[in-house]
Amino acid sequence: AQSVTQLGSHVSVSEGALVLLRCNYSSSVPPYLFWYVQYPNQGLQLLLKYTTGATLVKGINGFEAEFKKSETSFHLTKPSAHMSDAAEYFCAVSRSSGNTPLVFGKGTRLSVIA
Amino acid sequence: DAGVIQSPRHEVTEMGQEVTLRCKPISGHDYLFWYRQTMMRGLELLIYFNNNVPIDDSGMPEDRFSAKMPNASFSTLKIQPSEPRDSAVYFCASSPGRGGTYEQYFGPGTRLTVT
Repeated sequence: AQSVTQLGSHVSVSEGALVLLRCNYSSSVPPYLFWYVQYPNQGLQLLLKYTTGATLVKGINGFEAEFKKSETSFHLTKPSAHMSDAAEYFCAVSRSSGNTPLVFGKGTRLSVIA
Repeated sequence: DAGVIQSPRHEVTEMGQEVTLRCKPISGHDYLFWYRQTMMRGLELLIYFNNNVPIDDSGMPEDRFSAKMPNASFSTLKIQPSEPRDSAVYFCASSPGRGGTYEQYFGPGTRLTVT
């Protein structure tokens, strides 16, 4: 069965510093991987996704993630944090190939310090 | 596009009452998912539909929960009778399901409080 582990339930960075949110997955099939962001009292918004092809994927708001099969990882990065990046971030893997339910990690809350 | 629409946004009810949550997916999307978010269990799938047909309801906690999708533009999630442990945020999401676009678009959620 698919599973996702997000290391660190809370990450705090200074404004302008590198953001690194870690995600490791377990999947019995080639994974489709996603990062979502959730702002307070809102739904989840897709940041980026990996299905096939290029392993470095770019998303919205300057975020990117790299799929590393050998490490079963899909870490999310952003070179320079902005105050508006403060939110909850969820890594997810599709249950199987194609359009199937997502299995989410527990989430990482990102705080940005001025 | 208005996105996925959910109503109500907030629901407070007493234990034993019936609760109905509503969802309007994005027009043209073939897949609809219901998720529940709690502090203890995080985000978990309850049920999903493809072309209005339930595909997997193994995540529905018990018989008190039921979901329907009578047409492509409307779905309901009903809890009867409700219990305090049902308190959570319930999300509806839809997905095109065609052309390799596998991302799911989430609604704003319904925050349910059962007292």
